[in-house]
Amino acid sequence: GAVVSQHPSWVICKSGTSVKIECRSLDFQATTMFWYRQFPKQSLMLMATSNEGSKATYEQGVEKDKFLINHASLTLSTLTVTSAHPEDSSFYICSSPDRADSPLHFGNGTRLTVT
Amino acid sequence: QKEVEQNSGPLSVPEGAIASLNCTYSDRVSQSFFWYRQYSGKSPELIMSIYSNGDKEDGRFTAQLNKASQYVSLLIRDSQPSDSATYLCAGLFSGGYNKLIFGAGTRLAVHP
Repeated sequence: GAVVSQHPSWVICKSGTSVKIECRSLDFQATTMFWYRQFPKQSLMLMATSNEGSKATYEQGVEKDKFLINHASLTLSTLTVTSAHPEDSSFYICSSPDRADSPLHFGNGTRLTVT
Repeated sequence: QKEVEQNSGPLSVPEGAIASLNCTYSDRVSQSFFWYRQYSGKSPELIMSIYSNGDKEDGRFTAQLNKASQYVSLLIRDSQPSDSATYLCAGLFSGGYNKLIFGAGTRLAVHP
């Protein structure tokens, strides 16, 4: 089945630094990648949608200059949390459909802790 | 109204019983629905997808979709302690882009 590989699975960083999260589709072309964030005991909130070769679309309230998304190829999308602060500590998950209207295939998630 | 609504629970059922999870949706969500299971600290995993009115069965799981009532449910028969997790209902955004909108999730606890 379609697999999305997400790295790192967890990261601890100091306040003010930047963190990059990578998601790769291993056996399909991920034309679209969705980035979600999940705080403890809350549901997944869509942050942004990236399409290969074009600018990402951000959901209302998500700072595009803080959460930089790059989707330069059909198999790789990255999310960079710039100048991270403790309130950015969360579980970040990428996902992609392998075809139109198909269910999303999720990466394993990245647990970010900003100290 | 939220686009996808679920009772957060917890829903507690004894082992072997039927667990019934419910979800309602607004007009902003299309007719494709998915149930995901999420264990604590893990990524969601797909359990069922349902696209048309009626029931769809897969092993111990049955998804039901009622378009007229804008209601989708998931039944888990012979519930096991390993089924204890948060169940997320999701629907495709009607505006396209393959965007999934998730409900808040229902926490299920199956006790021995």
